[in-house]
Amino acid sequence: RKEVEQDPGPFNVPEGATVAFNCTYSNSASQSFFWYRQDCRKEPKLLMSVYSSGNEDGRFTAQLNRASQYISLLIRDSKLSDSATYLCVVNGNSGYALNFGKGTSLLVTP
Amino acid sequence: DTAVSQTPKYLVTQMGNDKSIKCEQNLGHDTMYWYKQDSKKFLKIMFSYNNKELIINETVPNRFSPKSPDKAHLNLHINSLELGDSAVYFCASSQPGRSPLHFGNGTRLTVT
Repeated sequence: RKEVEQDPGPFNVPEGATVAFNCTYSNSASQSFFWYRQDCRKEPKLLMSVYSSGNEDGRFTAQLNRASQYISLLIRDSKLSDSATYLCVVNGNSGYALNFGKGTSLLVTP
Repeated sequence: DTAVSQTPKYLVTQMGNDKSIKCEQNLGHDTMYWYKQDSKKFLKIMFSYNNKELIINETVPNRFSPKSPDKAHLNLHINSLELGDSAVYFCASSQPGRSPLHFGNGTRLTVT
């Protein structure tokens, strides 16, 4: 089983839609969880950290389910500028390594 | 003002050559990384240094040798380049433990 798994998509949604991505991880001892965003031919950029109690940042909400070992990202009121690849990131065994999922591609259309 | 900077941005070279990529961070982070993103867009960790000490060394060919002269710099030297080495190489830094990564803007390596 891969350490971090995501549905690659693509998710094609109209502007204003709500879209959700899930990600599962294999290491039950993982302590750090993040969502990154990567635009085409650019470096990944931190979108938000994921906390145990769930957290929200504007239109973005992240949830963590430790029992089922998955994290989720909800995007409300999608904008054209949200089109990107969203990477789920979980720390690995050593605590130093952050393992990336392969990413979920989102395309928001007018 | 760039927090994590790596050079060069593009590198085109022939098989068998040796090349280096340099990385510097001015964030005061203790930990630096090299990640490789292949044509399938999968980001995979290669190496990590914490305060100049190698702490992660994934299954990477010996042709790849990282060097960290100080905690703000982590360079990557590649010997005898092969076609399969073509990828984007990202440098990153963080504080150790639960901190997120800050990435450089990548070096696109093409081996012909």
